[in-house]
Amino acid sequence: AQSVTQLGSHVSVSEGALVLLRCNYSSSVPPYLFWYVQYPNQGLQLLLKYTSAATLVKGINGFEAEFKKSETSFHLTKPSAHMRDAAEYFCAVSLPINAGGTSYGKLTFGQGTILTVHP
Amino acid sequence: NAGVTQTPKFRVLKTGQSMTLLCAQDMNHEYMYWYRQDPGMGLRLIHYSVGEGTTAKGEVPDGYNVSRLKKQNFLLGLESAAPSQTSVYFCASSPWGVRAWTEAFFGQGTRLTVV
Repeated sequence: AQSVTQLGSHVSVSEGALVLLRCNYSSSVPPYLFWYVQYPNQGLQLLLKYTSAATLVKGINGFEAEFKKSETSFHLTKPSAHMRDAAEYFCAVSLPINAGGTSYGKLTFGQGTILTVHP
Repeated sequence: NAGVTQTPKFRVLKTGQSMTLLCAQDMNHEYMYWYRQDPGMGLRLIHYSVGEGTTAKGEVPDGYNVSRLKKQNFLLGLESAAPSQTSVYFCASSPWGVRAWTEAFFGQGTRLTVV
């Protein structure tokens, strides 16, 4: 089975500062990894995904994440925060089809991190 | 280009009442899912379907039933609502295939309150 832990339920940064949201995963095989963003009263939107290609993944709105197998991490970063980045962010994991069992095609989410951006 | 549409968007139920949440997708996706979102717990999988006529239990299935009679629709039923089922419910869909499954597409959510 796979699991995801997001370190820090709330992160607060100043506008223009670095954003770092932490995600660690547990998986029996190399997983697929995702970051989703949820703006207030909206659904989830995919920011970026890692599916065993390049370990540094670039997403929308200037976000990127690096898959580090040795650290079982997939932290999300953005060099300069903007007010519009204020939202809740979710890290999620899934297993590829060759993992076997019934885990294929299902997303397991972390607890979420609320990002606040101060002027 | 509707994507995933959930109906209704808001609902208040009394304890013991029943209701059905409807999810419709127009992307011809094989996989569909129902999640619930609670503060500090992320999204948890209730039930899912890997194709028309199939359903399977997720992480938190108790108190819910589902049906996938048509490929484009996935229904979530609450037979006897309880206050513990107060939550935001999200439907999602994804394509199928060895290389096709790379992300899920989410609806806007249904905010359900059970009093």
